[in-house]
Amino acid sequence: DIQMTQSPSSLSASVGDRVTITCRASQSISSYLNWYQQKPGKAPKLLIYAASSLQSGVPSRFSGSGSGTDFTLTISSLQPEDFATYYCQQSYSTPQITFGPGTKVDIK
Amino acid sequence: QLQLQESGPGLVKPSETLSLTCTVSGGSISSSSYYWGWIRQPPGKGLEWIGSIYYSGSTYYNPSLKSRVTISVDTSKNQFSLKLSSVTAADTAVYYCARDYSNYDLWGRGTLVTVSS
Repeated sequence: DIQMTQSPSSLSASVGDRVTITCRASQSISSYLNWYQQKPGKAPKLLIYAASSLQSGVPSRFSGSGSGTDFTLTISSLQPEDFATYYCQQSYSTPQITFGPGTKVDIK
Repeated sequence: QLQLQESGPGLVKPSETLSLTCTVSGGSISSSSYYWGWIRQPPGKGLEWIGSIYYSGSTYYNPSLKSRVTISVDTSKNQFSLKLSSVTAADTAVYYCARDYSNYDLWGRGTLVTVSS
């Protein structure tokens, strides 16, 4: 099965910072990579699908890139509501999918 | 608009079977475009995919849970269900149901299931 890793596992940043989170797959998954945001006590929310497509209603400060095994989620200017945990998820072997371990973004 | 809602006991005894139902409202579970999935999250930990089902009844399970998991669908009630047998404290988690379109774009609010005697 396909394993997903994320780095860093956590980071501290300030409002207005540019934030980059990396996700790596154990084998090539083409562009079958999705990103989610989760806030405490809430269900995850889809941000990016197919590596770089912005889900409807998601602010344009979020962007995704990458293909093959290496992917990136970028927040261009961190806002107070963006402090959360972010997960990547491979859908190459859908419906048998796997999530990354998560990256927690908190306030510096 | 489509909504999903989990329901079931919040407390299950060790060695017993956890049973949850997800009710889909505002749309049909029989859409040919989607699978319907279960995902769980132990307290303070990450997301784990449990399994998915197609409206026809085809199922796919996480290999690590496959021996204990059964997912079924009832199209007449617009529901799909999860059964997890022989539970232990390690199965304590928030359980989510979600719509699977190669990405999970719609989620239920989640329900906490605690395994304890």
